[in-house]
Amino acid sequence: GQQLNQSPQSMFIQEGEDVSMNCTSSSIFNTWLWYKQEPGEGPVLLIALYKAGELTSSGRLTAQFGITRKDGFLNISASIPSDVGIYFCAGHGYNNAGNMLTFGGGTRLMVKP
Amino acid sequence: DAGITQSPRYKITETGRQVTLMCHQTWSHSYMFWYRQDLGHGLRLIYYSAAADITDKGEVPDGYVVSRSKTENFPLTLESATRSQTSVYFCASSEGLGLVTEAFFGQGTRLTVV
Repeated sequence: GQQLNQSPQSMFIQEGEDVSMNCTSSSIFNTWLWYKQEPGEGPVLLIALYKAGELTSSGRLTAQFGITRKDGFLNISASIPSDVGIYFCAGHGYNNAGNMLTFGGGTRLMVKP
Repeated sequence: DAGITQSPRYKITETGRQVTLMCHQTWSHSYMFWYRQDLGHGLRLIYYSAAADITDKGEVPDGYVVSRSKTENFPLTLESATRSQTSVYFCASSEGLGLVTEAFFGQGTRLTVV
């Protein structure tokens, strides 16, 4: 089946530092998404990308969908304590039956004030 | 309130017992999903449903049963709970129209099987 390999698995950074995480796959996806999960909550959508090579920003977040549609990255600039959580990449594939998403294993972000 | 709600939030059950996790959404989304979240595995799809009375298996369906008699509800039943089913379970829904593939998640149910 389709798999998304996400790295790093965890990050422990100082407040104010920039963060970068990425996902790669051997499969092609037609939509690429990034979710954030805060402690005790379900994942919440941060960014959705639909076009190969698409680069988009939302506040301190910047994300890009790879030109091959097999990878993507998420950057967070000037991290703050409320950025703490688990970040998941997710892809919706061309061959998916129904409307299923495939998730990466997550990047656990910890921010030291 | 509009949204997607799961119940219970926490559940402890014994091995071999049947347990049902509830999921209710108020958006009239066509698609609903059940995921389990385990350390090192991220989110894995158990079952999904494209509409009322239409369900299909995901990546890890063994030991689970679902039903969808109404669009807004999608209960997940563990027929005979095992310790390996200790996990956090998330229900999600999405419109499933065109490019709108974003799924909205409930708060999760933490299930412990002892």
